[in-house]
Amino acid sequence: AQKVTQAQTEISVVEKEDVTLDCVYETRDTTYYLFWYKQPPSGELVFLIRRNSFDEQNEISGRYSWNFQKSTSSFNFTITASQVVDSAVYFCALSGWVGNDMRFGAGTRLTVKP
Amino acid sequence: GAVVSQHPSWVICKSGTSVKIECRSLDFQATTMFWYRQFPKQSLMLMATSNEGSKATYEQGVEKDKFLINHASLTLSTLTVTSAHPEDSSFYICSASRGVAYNEQFFGPGTRLTVL
Repeated sequence: AQKVTQAQTEISVVEKEDVTLDCVYETRDTTYYLFWYKQPPSGELVFLIRRNSFDEQNEISGRYSWNFQKSTSSFNFTITASQVVDSAVYFCALSGWVGNDMRFGAGTRLTVKP
Repeated sequence: GAVVSQHPSWVICKSGTSVKIECRSLDFQATTMFWYRQFPKQSLMLMATSNEGSKATYEQGVEKDKFLINHASLTLSTLTVTSAHPEDSSFYICSASRGVAYNEQFFGPGTRLTVL
């Protein structure tokens, strides 16, 4: 069975602070994909990143960075110099290699205050 | 590319009526479509998976007679909530995949259903 745990239900920071959203996963598959999505108040999911289980390189995209640690089954997401527009719910998700079985974590609600 | 639309974006209906939600892949053929439900302040829960031309596969606990899914073409899947009740009020999100080497899912914008 696949499981994604986002232990942080809500996080509140002040603008320009860095913030890390945690994601821990469980799977019996040896090959799998991990994702992060942003869900703003409008409700539409915004794709942020997909990472396969073979690639443990950290990734940086502008103010966003991701740390994939297979040894600890974690795929954490850091926003540097947060902005008010980053306020949203962020979901971590896991799927098998075929991709038909995507499971989402409970989500972390991030509030960035001016 | 890989745009998925949903219609309507929101709907309000009376208890006991049926509501149909459409999910379309606008610029690609979707061999597989997925339906998720999201209650307020909760995560997305997969309801069912459907392949074009075949019956949908429902997740445990999802009533297939209540949530009818039709994937009649490679670009359209519909979810019909039959005899809707207030507890069916939720945000319904569909996704579609192309069925290439990796079935990446592209998500629609969601449909907010409110049953009075």
